[in-house]
Amino acid sequence: AQSVTQPDIHITVSEGASLELRCNYSYGATPYLFWYVQSPGQGLQLLLKYFSGDTLVQGIKGFEAEFKRSQSSFNLRKPSVHWSDAAEYFCAVDSNKAAGNKLTFGGGTRVLVKP
Amino acid sequence: GAVVSQHPSRVICKSGTSVKIECRSLDFQATTMFWYRQFPKQSLMLMATSNEGSKATYEQGVEKDKFLINHASLTLSTLTVTSAHPEDSSFYICSASEISGNTIYFGEGSWLTVV
Repeated sequence: AQSVTQPDIHITVSEGASLELRCNYSYGATPYLFWYVQSPGQGLQLLLKYFSGDTLVQGIKGFEAEFKRSQSSFNLRKPSVHWSDAAEYFCAVDSNKAAGNKLTFGGGTRVLVKP
Repeated sequence: GAVVSQHPSRVICKSGTSVKIECRSLDFQATTMFWYRQFPKQSLMLMATSNEGSKATYEQGVEKDKFLINHASLTLSTLTVTSAHPEDSSFYICSASEISGNTIYFGEGSWLTVV
């Protein structure tokens, strides 16, 4: 079955440390890939997206993600975390690519930042 | 930039009543909009695809008679939760894409509490 998996439900990281959030997908072909961030009680903000081309994607707020076809992964990274990065992060895929962007979301990873 | 606006952002209604949530694309036209539902501390689940001028397409397990979707214009989709029950309390969020683009815009979300 097609799915998006974020293996880590919670991650706690110290401020200034690096962060990596995992995302794996299970689809026949490479879908469009997205990472969103959601602060408590708020809507979604797009961090970055991958459609094709360079497999290392730069996003906002110092985030980047790397698409690895062989691993069906699209992991999100940030070299140095700030306290304001504490939030819920969602990986999402658009497997249809031509259906107006219907997204399937992973379960989310909640990031806690220690001072 | 393009904006998707939802209204109301928060609503409380009595059990058994109906409540309408609006999703508007403010400066672009969207033939397709999507409605998602998010329970506390959970991921977003697609409920339905809202198609301008035609019937919505519902995901498996979503009651179309309970969650009425109307997409009467290229900038407005509405979700009406009919005969609401406390278990319908959730965060409802819509998304839309420009007709010619691949960029997805999410609304700010609407908190529904049924008492």
